[in-house]
Amino acid sequence: DAGVIQSPRHEVTEMGQEVTLRCKPISGHNSLFWYRQTMMRGLELLIYFNNNVPIDDSGMPEDRFSAKMPNASFSTLKIQPSEPRDSAVYFCASRFGGGAPNEKLFFGSGTQLSVL
Amino acid sequence: SQKIEQNSEALNIQEGKTATLTCNYTNYSPAYLQWYRQDPGRGPVFLLLIRENEKEKRKERLKVTFDTTLKQSLFHITASQPADSATYLCALVPGGYQKVTFGTGTKLQVIP
Repeated sequence: DAGVIQSPRHEVTEMGQEVTLRCKPISGHNSLFWYRQTMMRGLELLIYFNNNVPIDDSGMPEDRFSAKMPNASFSTLKIQPSEPRDSAVYFCASRFGGGAPNEKLFFGSGTQLSVL
Repeated sequence: SQKIEQNSEALNIQEGKTATLTCNYTNYSPAYLQWYRQDPGRGPVFLLLIRENEKEKRKERLKVTFDTTLKQSLFHITASQPADSATYLCALVPGGYQKVTFGTGTKLQVIP
């Protein structure tokens, strides 16, 4: 099992550019979560999906952020246009069991985003 | 507003001692509470889960308690080792809901 796969591992871009982060969840997992981690705010939930459907996007900071899950094996988080305050580590996590709240999350290694 | 608070300052303890980490929450009614470990440059890794009707859970050298009256969970590592040095995060899952919300984490340093 390869685990949750995120790409790229590091992304450096200039303010105003579009950024796309990618995630491949563990096969068979029904839920997918996008988190952002900074020193100041810790690990913040941005959005999560169940069975490819967005359930709660209340953590998405602004309209500049959007997320999609076109199928069970792929999700993207897009920032357009990017700003320096978006610099953070972005994690994707998946969970087996769809709506089962007692199931654990499996995290990817994260994407370190730097917006200059 | 909802808050999940963990000791923001790092916890330094001597090898062999018991480390105790705290997770306090307000304006939540979690059905489940989870603990994760995070090493530098890596994603969090699940350690333990405890349900609201459970007082205590153990796994090897780890012990978690959950007091819904105090709105607090304690995470203990007994006979701590330098390899236990990491950041530990608690996460809450409300009843009937699937959202997993994390605390800010506590950095533990075990000194040989």
